[in-house]
Amino acid sequence: DTAVSQTPKYLVTQMGNDKSIKCEQNLGHDTMYWYKQDSKKFLKIMFSYNNKELIINETVPNRFSPKSPDKAHLNLHINSLELGDSAVYFCASSRESGGLGNEQFFGPGTRLTVL
Amino acid sequence: AQTVTQSQPEMSVQEAETVTLSCTYDTSENNYYLFWYKQPPSRQMILVIRQEAYKQQNATENRFSVNFQKAAKSFSLKISDSQLGDTAMYFCAFVGGFKTIFGAGTRLFVKA
Repeated sequence: DTAVSQTPKYLVTQMGNDKSIKCEQNLGHDTMYWYKQDSKKFLKIMFSYNNKELIINETVPNRFSPKSPDKAHLNLHINSLELGDSAVYFCASSRESGGLGNEQFFGPGTRLTVL
Repeated sequence: AQTVTQSQPEMSVQEAETVTLSCTYDTSENNYYLFWYKQPPSRQMILVIRQEAYKQQNATENRFSVNFQKAAKSFSLKISDSQLGDTAMYFCAFVGGFKTIFGAGTRLFVKA
């Protein structure tokens, strides 16, 4: 049983296109996250949602828009893709954000390549 | 602002030996947690160990243990009896004040 799943695992697209990455967790967690890992492996949080509400929104271009239709899903939509958006995007989830010590469970990542 | 620094971009260790990965952080928060995550070549992020800042006792998980020095804001990871499967990127992470910050990672090679 996959705990945190992402689709697609690989995404190759042209500059200027719009794309979405889907994330689902079946752990019953309240909090979900999106991270970007660049080519140097640096991992940076982009967004965090708790019970479908945005609680962390780091400085990312507004071309990136997260959408949480329900507690188990957090999708990432990216408009007007740029070369610099090429990276691996990780979704993660944890129990309520008030519990700081809660482990984050990560999805397998989506490697986005913008040509 | 919180920061997390891993000063060793790469390390190697002989199988069965012990290695220590360093991590320092900066914060003004009193209540926070520290984590070590492992990312093998498969890309999957896996929790290795977790430490609550209010606990003085160092966390231990089988072959993995931490040396948590709160005053020095230091959180190093010791891997004993290294195994080939320990080859991975290791990330130190800080969670506190509604912030989650990862260090730049240390690439560990375990040699046969």
